[in-house]
This record gives sequence, structure tokens and C-alpha cells, in this order.
Amino acid sequence: QVQLQESGPGVVKPSETLSLTCSVSGGSMTSYFWSWIRQPPGKGLEWIGYSDDSRTTKYNPSLESRVTVSIDTSKNQFFLQVRSVTAADTAVYYCARDRRDGYNVWGQGILVNVSS
Amino acid sequence: SYELSQPPSVSVSPGQTAIITCSGDKLGLRFTSWYHQKPGHSPVLLIYQDKQRPSGIPERFSGSNSGNTATLTISGTQSTDEADYYCQAWDSTDVVFGGGTKLTVL
Repeated sequence: QVQLQESGPGVVKPSETLSLTCSVSGGSMTSYFWSWIRQPPGKGLEWIGYSDDSRTTKYNPSLESRVTVSIDTSKNQFFLQVRSVTAADTAVYYCARDRRDGYNVWGQGILVNVSS
Repeated sequence: SYELSQPPSVSVSPGQTAIITCSGDKLGLRFTSWYHQKPGHSPVLLIYQDKQRPSGIPERFSGSNSGNTATLTISGTQSTDEADYYCQAWDSTDVVFGGGTKLTVL
């Protein structure tokens, strides 16, 4: 059974870059969209962006200028960078898997606080 | 950009049927997925491609989609169904989530 696990720092300073890793175990990365989704405290889900296994990427237009999603299938990992963070980027960040038929596998989520 | 709208809250009595809607322009032409999320937990996929249930999801969860509205129906609602519910669809190559609906089982 495929499992996803987010990792990275729990605190990032304002104006710096948030970097997270999602490690994939128990399955192949082929033929899926690998997404990052976030949830500010007490709010709803917001799609950030995805990469597929051929490194094709797509981003939420509201975040596109600050976000990069990348993938390393040889390591079974994909990554998120959010540049120039502010307090508004404080959220639980989830990685998840989809084939345009629903996100059926999610990581447990990682809370990232943007604070000095 | 494409938007999906959900009512902020829905209330239902135990054993009754809960209906949660998701509205978007010509949403019926797109596949919709539904998730529920309990506090402190990751979302769980309930319905995909409008009406398909992943293995392990009870039959009392059902979905439909037509016109501008997708609907999640929970039959025989249980107290354990109290959660936040989100719809999701693809807008070409982008992913869109609804704002979420808090289901209260009174």
C-alpha cells in the first residue's frame, strides 16, 4: 500500500524559502500527479501545484510566482519550495497522489509556521 | 479562475439523510470528487468521478453531478460522520477545491 510522508522544518522566517519533501513508499511514481495541498489553521484546502513523473508541472495561479514543485523518481520523492514566505503561508502542508480520479493517498501533513 | 461553492454548514439528525452541494459553472461537465476531514486528520476520499466509491467507503455515501451542481448524499447519517466535507474538480490542468462544508449531526 502506497504511503506518503512529508518532512521539513516546522518554522520558517518571513521572507525566506519554505522547503518540504514528500517521500513515497510502497509503490511506483509512474502515471500519477503528485500534488502539494495546504490548509491554513481553521480554513479550507488550497491546491498549490503538482508534478507528474515526466516533470510536467502546474501551479495554482495565485501562488505560481513563488512556488516550485519538483520530483526525483529515482529517490521516490517530490519536493515543494515556496519563496518569500509571509505569515499567510502558515499552514498544514499535505502531499497527495492523484490520477484525475481523486486524491486517494495523502500524507499525514506537516505544520509549517512562518515566524521570526 | 474556476470556483466551487459549498454551503458553510449543514445540520442533520442521526439516522436522517444529509445532502451537501457543490456549485460551479457547468460543473456537470467535469468529474467531481468528495472528501471528508476530521479534526487533526488528513482528508479521506469518499467519492470520485461523481459517483464512484473507493473500496472501504460505506454505501451510504453517494454522489451525483448534473448541470451546475454536484451533490454528496449521506444516508442514515451517524454521529461519526460529523466532519468537514470538501468537493474538488479539475479545471483543465488545474485543481480546484470547494470552500468546505461543516456537517453537524445533532
